[in-house]
Amino acid sequence: DQQVKQNSPSLSVQEGRISILNCDYTNSMFDYFLWYKKYPAEGPTFLISISSIKDKNEDGRFTVFLNKSAKHLSLHIVPSQPGDSAVYFCAASELMRFGAGTRLTVKP
Amino acid sequence: GAGVSQSPRYKVAKRGQDVALRCDPISGHVSLFWYQQALGQGPEFLTYFQNEAQLDKSGLPSDRFFAERPEGSVSTLKIQRTQQEDSAVYLCASSPGGGTGTGYTFGSGTRLTVV
Repeated sequence: DQQVKQNSPSLSVQEGRISILNCDYTNSMFDYFLWYKKYPAEGPTFLISISSIKDKNEDGRFTVFLNKSAKHLSLHIVPSQPGDSAVYFCAASELMRFGAGTRLTVKP
Repeated sequence: GAGVSQSPRYKVAKRGQDVALRCDPISGHVSLFWYQQALGQGPEFLTYFQNEAQLDKSGLPSDRFFAERPEGSVSTLKIQRTQQEDSAVYLCASSPGGGTGTGYTFGSGTRLTVV
């Protein structure tokens, strides 16, 4: 039972353009969401989070949007840089249910 | 150390062998989580400790999996009679708080290969 879904296994964008990573969830009780970034052979590292009382949270080049009615969140990276190339996981609170991840490749 | 440390980094086990995976969380962190990440998948929750208390073990896939954190710091995940489907990266994470909703610090994981 996948409660958090990332339907795009991969995304490729050009350096300088916007990257948009999407995540859907099924449990309306989830009230806190996190994005993690993972490089090969390393553990995931926390990137940005959002509480359900907000619909947007911004941190530098990273912005997370939350649409509670659609049970959808997205991570925007702008401008994208080659060093952003990694696997991105979204996770919902309540014992951290993770999506399957999206592999982002930013081409120089 | 400054981060979450997991050992061994890699483990190859013969089918049927018992293994023990160790996690050293950040000092003082109350919460500790174990996750299993299969190839191409996201981390799957296994179990959660708050100090020495195992508050949730609903994610453990079978009774061959056992986790402990006897003194509320170091944790060990034990897998008995390993099977090939146990091959995965096992991730440990810790957080300072006692509840959910905060960012966690992950270790680099232990890659278990059962042959």
